[in-house]
Amino acid sequence: DAKTTQPNSMESNEEEPVHLPCNHSTISGTDYIHWYRQLPSQGPEYVIHGLTSNVNNRMASLAIAEDRKSSTLILHRATLRDAAVYYCILRNRDDKIIFGKGTRLHILP
Amino acid sequence: NAGVTQTPKFQVLKTGQSMTLQCAQDMNHNSMYWYRQDPGMGLRLIYYSASEGTTDKGEVPNGYNVSRLNKREFSLRLESAAPSQTSVYFCASSKNRERNYGYTFGSGTRLTVV
Repeated sequence: DAKTTQPNSMESNEEEPVHLPCNHSTISGTDYIHWYRQLPSQGPEYVIHGLTSNVNNRMASLAIAEDRKSSTLILHRATLRDAAVYYCILRNRDDKIIFGKGTRLHILP
Repeated sequence: NAGVTQTPKFQVLKTGQSMTLQCAQDMNHNSMYWYRQDPGMGLRLIYYSASEGTTDKGEVPNGYNVSRLNKREFSLRLESAAPSQTSVYFCASSKNRERNYGYTFGSGTRLTVV
């Protein structure tokens, strides 16, 4: 499985945008980029995914570099409820996905 | 609400006891998965079932067995629990094995083996 690299932790102020980076330099052409988040004491929650083009949904935006070797999850206006661990995952032709350690996002009031 | 239901939510076992963790989804998903999460760690895949009637090992299958009872249900069995199996267990499902579908997770079973 291709691997991803994320910062261990990040901080952001409430009501400001947050940009969570992910490096995946060994990504293959058929890998989808998925993002999940895990709120305290809860199961992971799907956030967004994409292949080549930038993607938007009600939760976040996903910006994918032109060479696909990196991506950025964008939370447009962080709230305290967005404090969580965010996982960047590559999903390939195998059925399963493997989680890394993710980025712990702290939101400062 | 539609989703993935796990039972029980909490369980304490003595070393050597057996138990089955239950998981059911009502989204007509084909693929189902079992993960464990130890304190401060990411999730590790135990077993998965790409479709009804099939199961495959994940990263950490030793000490566990699974049964895909039907399309809705995927159970995880600990035959002889060990303290190293103390963890939070998450079940997940996905519409199918295709790369462009996300997973839906349950809320977890917190298991303590003493």
